[in-house]
Amino acid sequence: DAGVIQSPRHEVTEMGQEVTLRCKPISGHNSLFWYRQTMMRGLELLIYFNNNVPIDDSGMPEDRFSAKMPNASFSTLKIQPSEPRDSAVYFCASSLVAKNIQYFGAGTRLSVL
Amino acid sequence: GNSVTQMEGPVTLSEEAFLTINCTYTATGYPSLFWYVQYPGEGLQLLLKATKADDKGSNKGFEATYRKETTSFHLEKGSVQVSDSAVYFCALTSKGDKVIFGPGTSLSVIP
Repeated sequence: DAGVIQSPRHEVTEMGQEVTLRCKPISGHNSLFWYRQTMMRGLELLIYFNNNVPIDDSGMPEDRFSAKMPNASFSTLKIQPSEPRDSAVYFCASSLVAKNIQYFGAGTRLSVL
Repeated sequence: GNSVTQMEGPVTLSEEAFLTINCTYTATGYPSLFWYVQYPGEGLQLLLKATKADDKGSNKGFEATYRKETTSFHLEKGSVQVSDSAVYFCALTSKGDKVIFGPGTSLSVIP
C-alpha cells in the first residue's frame, strides 16, 4: 500500500490567495483527519470524517477554512483567503475507524507571504 | 474530558544513555494508549501501543507499560542512538472517541 498521500508537499502563496491541500487516504480506511502543526501550538486536530461525513470540525480555526470528502478516496482542505498566520505544516491521517491507529501522510508545508 | 500530559522538552542525551519520557493521562473508561514518533520532515508514525492495564508495548528497543493505578504510560529505552532523535507523542483513545495526542517531547541524541 502506498500509504496516505498528500499533495502538494510544499506550497508558497501570497496573502489573500486561495489554497487547496489534497489527501488520498489508505484504501479501506473509514476515518480521515486533518491536522495543523506549528512550533507555537503543536499538533492541532482541525476536522475529522467518518465514512465521508464530517463528525467534528470544532478545531477549524475560522470560516476561511473548509474541508470536504466527496468520496472515500479523496479529501481537500481549502483556505480562502489565506493569511500569513496560516503558515504551518498540514497533515492528513487515516484509520480504519476513528479510535484506531492513525497513519499519517508526509504533510504539506504551507508558507503564506 | 480525555487528556494527555507529557514531560516538557527538549530532551538532550548522549548516545547510549537511558531514556525516559513521562506521560500521564486522564480518561473515562479504559483507554488504549499509544506512543507515536515523528522524525524530522515526516508525519507521525505509530511506535508502540497497549490496550489494557499492565500491558507492555515494545518496538525498536522502546518500551512502555500501561499503569492504570498511576494513569501513566512512560516511554523508555535502555540505550539511545543518534537515529532516535525525533519528537515523541503520547496519545490515547477511549470508547469510540478520536485519538487525543499529547503536546510532544523533542529528543536530541548527540554522538
